[in-house]
Amino acid sequence: RKEVEQDPGPFNVPEGATVAFNCTYSNSASQSFFWYRQDCRKEPKLLMSVYSSGNEDGRFTAQLNRASQYISLLIRDSKLSDSATYLCVVNGAGGFKTIFGAGTRLFVKA
Amino acid sequence: GAVVSQHPSWVICKSGTSVKIECRSLDFQATTMFWYRQFPKQSLMLMATSNEGSKATYEQGVEKDKFLINHASLTLSTLTVTSAHPEDSSFYICSALPGLGGNEQFFGPGTRLTVL
Repeated sequence: RKEVEQDPGPFNVPEGATVAFNCTYSNSASQSFFWYRQDCRKEPKLLMSVYSSGNEDGRFTAQLNRASQYISLLIRDSKLSDSATYLCVVNGAGGFKTIFGAGTRLFVKA
Repeated sequence: GAVVSQHPSWVICKSGTSVKIECRSLDFQATTMFWYRQFPKQSLMLMATSNEGSKATYEQGVEKDKFLINHASLTLSTLTVTSAHPEDSSFYICSALPGLGGNEQFFGPGTRLTVL
């Protein structure tokens, strides 16, 4: 079993749609969780951190379920510019042993 | 946010040559830097963790004699791919962890290596 698993997609959605991604992790001792966005042939960029209480940033909502060991990302009112690969990232304590998921590809179409 | 640079952004070399990639934190000190490799349509794979002033910690399956890492200062880490072969062609990305106890890594723009 992979340490971090994501549905690779691709997700093809129309503009304005709501789309959700899930990510599961195997190490129950994992400390921190992030969603990164990676555009084609570019470096990953932090989209948002994921907290147990959940967090929201505009159209993006991230949630963590420690009991079931998964995190989620919800994108509302999708824009064309949201097309990218979304990477689930899980860290051990102190930022060490960072594990990236393989990414979920999203295509938003007009 | 914090800025990390990489140089060069791309390099083409002949098989058997060595290539050095630099990773710099421009506006913060990074006690820890990470080196990743990403093949097309695959995720980032951690190669090694580089700590300033000490030896790098390599992930399983990564040859330390082939991928030489030096972290001589708090703002610079280098990765040297020695005796490069075509299978080493990849996108190499570094990231830096500010020494303030946080967990967010700041990524460099990556270096695309093509070995002919």
